[in-house]
Amino acid sequence: GAVVSQHPSRVICKSGTSVKIECRSLDFQATTMFWYRQFPKQSLMLMATSNEGSKATYEQGVEKDKFLINHASLTLSTLTVTSAHPEDSSFYICSAQIYGTKLYEQYFGPGTRLTVT
Amino acid sequence: AQSVTQPDIHITVSEGASLELRCNYSYGATPYLFWYVQSPGQGLQLLLKYFSGDTLVQGIKGFEAEFKRSQSSFNLRKPSVHWSDAAEYFCAVGAGSSNTGKLIFGQGTTLQVKP
Repeated sequence: GAVVSQHPSRVICKSGTSVKIECRSLDFQATTMFWYRQFPKQSLMLMATSNEGSKATYEQGVEKDKFLINHASLTLSTLTVTSAHPEDSSFYICSAQIYGTKLYEQYFGPGTRLTVT
Repeated sequence: AQSVTQPDIHITVSEGASLELRCNYSYGATPYLFWYVQSPGQGLQLLLKYFSGDTLVQGIKGFEAEFKRSQSSFNLRKPSVHWSDAAEYFCAVGAGSSNTGKLIFGQGTTLQVKP
């Protein structure tokens, strides 16, 4: 149980276009989801915290107009990279916290590799 | 501010040998500490966690970690490494206010296992 999926697993887009990444909790409800960004051989950096039905909370330095997050249901959160540029190329990972469970009990998706050409 | 440091970027051990991955944290109060493993194509998997109580924590896959407050450390150990343990390992600390669930990760340690 406690499986989180991400779609797509990898995507290539042209500079200036937008791309949407989906994060789904397959067998549980998640009131809170987190979005991370990981550069090659580096750590995961938290981008934003997404709560179902409310606006996402972005970490300092993350452009909320560029990285649009929507958590419309208890099983789905989306990250849209708008007007993507090559510097947005990265590995994006989501995690989901099971509703009603202990704090920090998060389950991670397999990640989405974004390449902007 | 909270932070996590993993001093070793890359470690190579022989299969069957013991392993210790280092993790140091910076946090004002008693931290919530975690070790995750990341394998290619798979999501991060929780190996173990420390919230309170016994400072020696047992996890999955034969891993254990010891919380040492005096050294601000939470090192991960395994007595005998298997080839399948080759992966990226991340130490993390729970951050922010008590109800946010935010995690701060270290830089990661890549474990290579020699046959």
